[in-house]
Amino acid sequence: TQLLEQSPQFLSIQEGENLTVYCNSSSVFSSLQWYRQEPGEGPVLLVTVVTGGEVKKLKRLTFQFGDARKDSSLHITAAQTGDTGLYLCLSGGYQKVTFGTGTKLQVIP
Amino acid sequence: ETGVTQSPTHLIKTRGQQVTLRCSSQSGHNTVSWYQQALGQGPQFIFQYYREEENGRGNFPPRFSGLQFPNYSSELNVNALELDDSALYLCASSWAPRDYGYTFGSGTRLTVV
Repeated sequence: TQLLEQSPQFLSIQEGENLTVYCNSSSVFSSLQWYRQEPGEGPVLLVTVVTGGEVKKLKRLTFQFGDARKDSSLHITAAQTGDTGLYLCLSGGYQKVTFGTGTKLQVIP
Repeated sequence: ETGVTQSPTHLIKTRGQQVTLRCSSQSGHNTVSWYQQALGQGPQFIFQYYREEENGRGNFPPRFSGLQFPNYSSELNVNALELDDSALYLCASSWAPRDYGYTFGSGTRLTVV
């Protein structure tokens, strides 16, 4: 059974600061997705990474997929209050889907 | 695109009862999956359907069962409800989940008393 550990578990930062969230797997990812979930809502897809070493940028968010495809990171530059939420990594799509343990981010104005 | 819609949004049931939750997939999506999310935790995978066949299952007992219909809508059935079944139940659909990810509904909040 694949386990996805995210760190940190909780993060509280001031608006304008930078942060990085990590997702580490006990086995190789086939693909890796990042989602953000706000209270009372379902997760919303941010990005999908498939190739080892891949880097994707989405405005202030930078996603990196490790060369060995067992880890990934999400970096947010100049955090805004709208970035507040639960960040989740996800592996799978074929027959088995595993979510990470989650990182709860609070951005304080 | 209409997105993924789930019904009902909230539900209260008594221990031992049975419940059916419903999900309408996003147009064009042939894969649907269900998740259980306890408060403050990440979602746990229950099962996934592709073209009306179950093609994956997480570590949930058989009293959790499902169906996918020809129009790709779906149901989650839970028998013999237990207090620990209280959670947010999420449905997600996709047409190529590995490459394009999932579209999630807003969930059904189930409370078992």
